Amino acid sequence: QLQLQESGPGLVKPSESLSLTCTVSGGSISSSDYFWDWIRQPPGRGLEWIGSLYYSGSTYYNPSLKSRLSMSVDTSQNQFSLRLNSVTAADTALYYCARKGWEGIDYWGPGTLVTVSS
Amino acid sequence: EVLLTQSPATLSVSPGERATLSCRAGQFISSKLAWYQQKPGQAPRLLIYDASIRATGIPARFSGSGSGTEFTLTISSLQSDDVAVYYCQHYNNWPLSTFGQGTKVETK
Repeated sequence: QLQLQESGPGLVKPSESLSLTCTVSGGSISSSDYFWDWIRQPPGRGLEWIGSLYYSGSTYYNPSLKSRLSMSVDTSQNQFSLRLNSVTAADTALYYCARKGWEGIDYWGPGTLVTVSS
Repeated sequence: EVLLTQSPATLSVSPGERATLSCRAGQFISSKLAWYQQKPGQAPRLLIYDASIRATGIPARFSGSGSGTEFTLTISSLQSDDVAVYYCQHYNNWPLSTFGQGTKVETK
């Protein structure tokens, strides 16, 4: 059974960078059939797609975040990562990592809450 | 960027009754639409993909329809376990995607 687990700091100061890692277990991140996504959800609000990453390193970003965003993959560790620069309170959210195939997003991590505050 | 508009924002339905949720795309997206269910404190769960195909393990009371710009998720007989927020998501320009703002389904 595939499992995803987010990890990273729960508190980030304004103007600093937010970095999260997703560890995939029970399956290979190097599968050619899937993309690996980051999705976030501000408290009490809806879902926002952040970006998608392929095992080769190809990336696809939400245009509204593109200037502050970078994503990377470490196939040797079966992990992928997110870095969001110059964060503000508006970036406070529950951050999910997930697997996306042609049939939709079928596996999600439990999510990790990141709060931006001084 | 394709905008998805879901309606209504909140839907109150008696147990055993039909629930009908709408998702409208701002431009043509063929059948590249999925529906997700999110219960409080949980990650979303995939219900429907390609507008009308039920994901593995999803009960038959959930059905999806539509293409182009108008889509519908129907719960044929609402159960108490179906209380949740439902999101549509397009992937017409895969792997890029957008979510709708969600419809909260509650029991009357």
